[in-house]
Amino acid sequence: SAVISQKPSRDICQRGTSLTIQCQVDSQVTMMFWYRQQPGQSLTLIATANQGSEATYESGFVIDKFPISRPNLTFSTLTVSNMSPEDSSIYLCSARQGGYNEQFFGPGTRLTVL
Amino acid sequence: AQRVTQPEKLLSVFKGAPVELKCNYSYSGSPELFWYVQYSRQRLQLLLRHISRESIKGFTADLNKGETSFHLKKPFAQEEDSAMYYCTIFGNEKLTFGTGTRLTIIP
Repeated sequence: SAVISQKPSRDICQRGTSLTIQCQVDSQVTMMFWYRQQPGQSLTLIATANQGSEATYESGFVIDKFPISRPNLTFSTLTVSNMSPEDSSIYLCSARQGGYNEQFFGPGTRLTVL
Repeated sequence: AQRVTQPEKLLSVFKGAPVELKCNYSYSGSPELFWYVQYSRQRLQLLLRHISRESIKGFTADLNKGETSFHLKKPFAQEEDSAMYYCTIFGNEKLTFGTGTRLTIIP
């Protein structure tokens, strides 16, 4: 199984600013994902981070708001841009290995926007 | 589009009593279903998957295609089972999560 770490673990930000969240996996993985978990809600997929190409975004999420990078098979970043209080959530990185469809999850980044 | 429904947001069960967390799904193809669990202050982790038909921590879940259900069961609840449980379906190259059930075991 893959172990995923995220930085920062939490942050409090002012509206209008941007925050970049880093995700590091301890082994090479085929696919990486970013999820959002709003207070009291379930997980919603933001996008699939593709290595060497643009991320694939789900309906309701756009690149200008959530730019994603994946420079190699073990690392990805998610930026939350021009933040508003509605962006206050837990952001989770996830990864899938090889031919398996189960996914591993990072500990999450708890973001509060004032 | 795939969808997962967990009708119970909260479930409280006495220690030693049976547990059943309900999950229904909709998916046009052949589904692959999982249960994920999140214990207090821990990350989300896989509990079990339907294709392996295994029992993890005493929990089992059987895929019923006729009823499109994947209920999670345990015959005797333990206090350490208190957690948030998510039923998920894998389809179209992505996992879709249900809304989750918070299980509380009463000592």
